[in-house]
Amino acid sequence: KNQVEQSPQSLIILEGKNCTLQCNYTVSPFSNLRWYKQDTGRGPVSLTIMTFSENTKSNGRYTATLDADTKQSSLHITASQLSDSASYICVVRPSNTGKLIFGQGTTLQVKP
Amino acid sequence: DAMVIQNPRYQVTQFGKPVTLSCSQTLNHNVMYWYQQKSSQAPKLLFHYYDKDFNNEADTPDNFQSRRPNTSFCFLDIRSPGLGDAAMYLCATSRDSPRGLLHNEQFFGPGTRLTVL
Repeated sequence: KNQVEQSPQSLIILEGKNCTLQCNYTVSPFSNLRWYKQDTGRGPVSLTIMTFSENTKSNGRYTATLDADTKQSSLHITASQLSDSASYICVVRPSNTGKLIFGQGTTLQVKP
Repeated sequence: DAMVIQNPRYQVTQFGKPVTLSCSQTLNHNVMYWYQQKSSQAPKLLFHYYDKDFNNEADTPDNFQSRRPNTSFCFLDIRSPGLGDAAMYLCATSRDSPRGLLHNEQFFGPGTRLTVL
C-alpha cells in the first residue's frame, strides 16, 4: 500500500534555531517527492521537488534531501523565522498515476 | 498573477442545507481537483476533472457533486451537509495528461473553510 509517514507530528523551536523534518514513504513506483508548506487557513505551497536521481534540493533556507534507496526524505530549515510556523507536508507521486500520496504533515511552531 | 482563487474563504451552512463552493483559475490548466482536509489531517482527494471528464474517487460520498462549466471554473456542491463535512476544501489545478503522467505540479488555492451548524 502506498503510504507516506512524517515525523515528528509537531515541533516547537526557538527563532533562529535549525530543525529537520522527516518523511518515510512506501510509494512505488516512484516519480517525485515534494515538500509543501501550508500556513494556517491557507492552501499548500510547494517548497521543493525531487525526482529519483536527485538527492538534495535547496530553496533559500529550506534544504530537502532524498534517499531513494531507503525511501526517506528530510526537510532542513536553517535559521528559523517566526514566519516558518506552519504545517509541512511531504507528498509523493507514483509514476503510474496522477494521484498524490500525502503525509499527515509536521506542525512547526517557531517561538521568539 | 496567475493563480487559483476560491470563494468564499469561509462558509457557514446549516445541517442539511445545500452549499456550493467555487474555484476559478487563471493558469489555463486542464486538470482541476477538489480535496477535503479535516483538522490535522492530510488532504483527501474527492474528485478531479481532466478537461471535461469527471473522475470520482471510489470513497467520495454521493453527497458531494461537482461541475466544471468551462476551463476556468469548477464548483463543489454539497447536497445535504452533515456535521462530519465540516472541513477545509482545497481546489488545485495542474497541466497533465489523461492518466496524470506528466507529473506536473498541482497548484493549490487558499481553501474554503466550511462550518456546519
